[in-house]
Amino acid sequence: SQQGEEDPQALSIQEGENATMNCSYKTSINNLQWYRQNSGRGLVHLILIRSNEREKHSGRLRVTLDTSKKSSSLLITASRAADTASYFCATDDYFGNEKLTFGTGTRLTIIP
Amino acid sequence: EPEVTQTPSHQVTQMGQEVILRCVPISNHLYFYWYRQILGQKVEFLVSFYNNEISEKSEIFDDQFSVERPDGSNFTLKIRSTKLEDSAMYFCASRRAVIGEQFFGPGTRLTVL
Repeated sequence: SQQGEEDPQALSIQEGENATMNCSYKTSINNLQWYRQNSGRGLVHLILIRSNEREKHSGRLRVTLDTSKKSSSLLITASRAADTASYFCATDDYFGNEKLTFGTGTRLTIIP
Repeated sequence: EPEVTQTPSHQVTQMGQEVILRCVPISNHLYFYWYRQILGQKVEFLVSFYNNEISEKSEIFDDQFSVERPDGSNFTLKIRSTKLEDSAMYFCASRRAVIGEQFFGPGTRLTVL
């Protein structure tokens, strides 16, 4: 798989349900970040988790990181119609290279 | 809350023309980036910029591309002679420290005809 690959590629759930998206990556990292992108719009930063952290919360978001498996998950609880968007994980490089490498994204649709 | 801004939101140009995309990063940020996203594809890194010089660039960032910080607030991406395949959404990003959150602007949609 490529660096930063999310699954599923698409997810449709009913409003109020929880949505879980996964991201896998290949190289060692310093941080992993999750972004949201509404159709054709900019990237909104959601949360950053450092390589020495295992779990982080922000409002209805919960992110986990398993560096041994090189994977992360993003959980959105009590989903709302406004959560409909594409979600991307992005990693930077353990060796301090600044660029972010993005995954392919999960397209989340919340059905009212 | 401070945010990264970009102008224009949409730019249409003829193949071979020069375009300049503009960005105003968050004011106390020191590291600046350009990324692009071709429709339906991943966001790809183009270039990073720190202390008035390029710190890293991708294979995409060839001689047709250049970046500049002409004053204390603006950060520009110039494409000298646009090609059809340059059509994409271009995102500017900035961050305060070398490691940490990168904040993205809303993007400029470039259409090359």
